[in-house]
Amino acid sequence: NAGVTQTPKFQVLKTGQSMTLQCAQDMNHEYMSWYRQDPGMGLRLIHYSVGAGITDQGEVPNGYNVSRSTTEDFPLRLLSAAPSQTSVYFCASSFRQGAEAFFGQGTRLTVV
Amino acid sequence: SQQGEEDPQALSIQEGENATMNCSYKTSINNLQWYRQNSGRGLVHLILIRSNEREKHSGRLRVTLDTSKKSSSLLITASRAADTASYFCATDGGGGGNKLTFGTGTQLKVEL
Repeated sequence: NAGVTQTPKFQVLKTGQSMTLQCAQDMNHEYMSWYRQDPGMGLRLIHYSVGAGITDQGEVPNGYNVSRSTTEDFPLRLLSAAPSQTSVYFCASSFRQGAEAFFGQGTRLTVV
Repeated sequence: SQQGEEDPQALSIQEGENATMNCSYKTSINNLQWYRQNSGRGLVHLILIRSNEREKHSGRLRVTLDTSKKSSSLLITASRAADTASYFCATDGGGGGNKLTFGTGTQLKVEL
């Protein structure tokens, strides 16, 4: 099993560009989430999903969109990149509420 | 907003010594989890303790939880150089979505 796979691993964007960060899991988990990690801070929740077709906002959703058309995939879209979105992005999945989360290896995004 | 604050921010010890790191949180929780992050990598789940538990062990790890003080501690016994990493506590406050709120982390360095 690959677990949680994120692509790309690194990305540089210009301000105003859009892009999609991909996340896929092969564990048949219903719950998936996106977090961002900034220096000196823990992870902060951007968006999450409790199943295909169901998404909701986390702590820092502005500037990001998500969709969940399948159980396996949970892409994160940056609509118009800003330097403040320079961060490391992590996707996570879990089997159920209250269970351990499995994390991808992260996408390091730089917006110039 | 960050749920947890971790103490110390950084810890340097010799191989074979014990490492203790502490986490405080602000609101009621269903469970508290500890994760390890090696440099440049994703987070790996270490241990989960439920709100009705006071202590839990897993190998060289011992976790305590004091819900009256809203605090937890992680003890790593007989540390090894391979334990060098950042350690994060994360709380699950319930409310659906398996949303985790992370602390700011403790950077542990275990020297030979």
